[in-house]
Amino acid sequence: DVKVTQSSRYLVKRTGEKVFLECVQDMDHENMFWYRQDPGLGLRLIYFSYDVKMKEKGDIPEGYSVSREKKERFSLILESASTNQTSMYLCASSFSSGRAGNEQFFGPGTRLTVL
Amino acid sequence: QQPVQSPQAVILREGEDAVINCSSSKALYSVHWYRQKHGEAPVFLMILLKGGEQKGHDKISASFNEKKQQSSLYLTASQLSYSGTYFCGTPSRNNNDMRFGAGTRLTVKP
Repeated sequence: DVKVTQSSRYLVKRTGEKVFLECVQDMDHENMFWYRQDPGLGLRLIYFSYDVKMKEKGDIPEGYSVSREKKERFSLILESASTNQTSMYLCASSFSSGRAGNEQFFGPGTRLTVL
Repeated sequence: QQPVQSPQAVILREGEDAVINCSSSKALYSVHWYRQKHGEAPVFLMILLKGGEQKGHDKISASFNEKKQQSSLYLTASQLSYSGTYFCGTPSRNNNDMRFGAGTRLTVKP
């Protein structure tokens, strides 16, 4: 059974704190993604990675960084959390392929609240 | 750039039909559809490829008009289990990153 796990389901942090969100997949996928989900805005891509140590900015990378030291693990870092980063964060992974793209498998999400 | 979905929300009775539309301002090679039930992660439904090939769900159908850069998802004879938010996704030219629409919330009532 394919699996994407995220380190926490719920997280509460204070403004200015450094926050780490971790994602692990067990499917040997090349691609990993971090999305942010807000009501009415859908899934917005923050960063993605197509290989170990490789990363690409998505549409809303400001205030975030990522790390991928191992193929199965992709971390999202909020260097200095702000209240406008309160959101649901979803991690996903997929195989790499041609132009059509591949099915993405999502983790359960982390609901982050920044006070 | 995110694809545009319509409608934003739809409420149905069991057995009724619904159509969800997805359009893009850029040329598409494929369109993906996902469903997210309340409190759960999005789950892949199907992919539609340029040339008409479709892979995925056997009870939900979809169309893909490459020239118009549009796709539609058809939910016929809706069941309570169809409730959720539906997202269309369009891959970029390379590296398989995806852009998702804002979602369509479908509610099926008894």
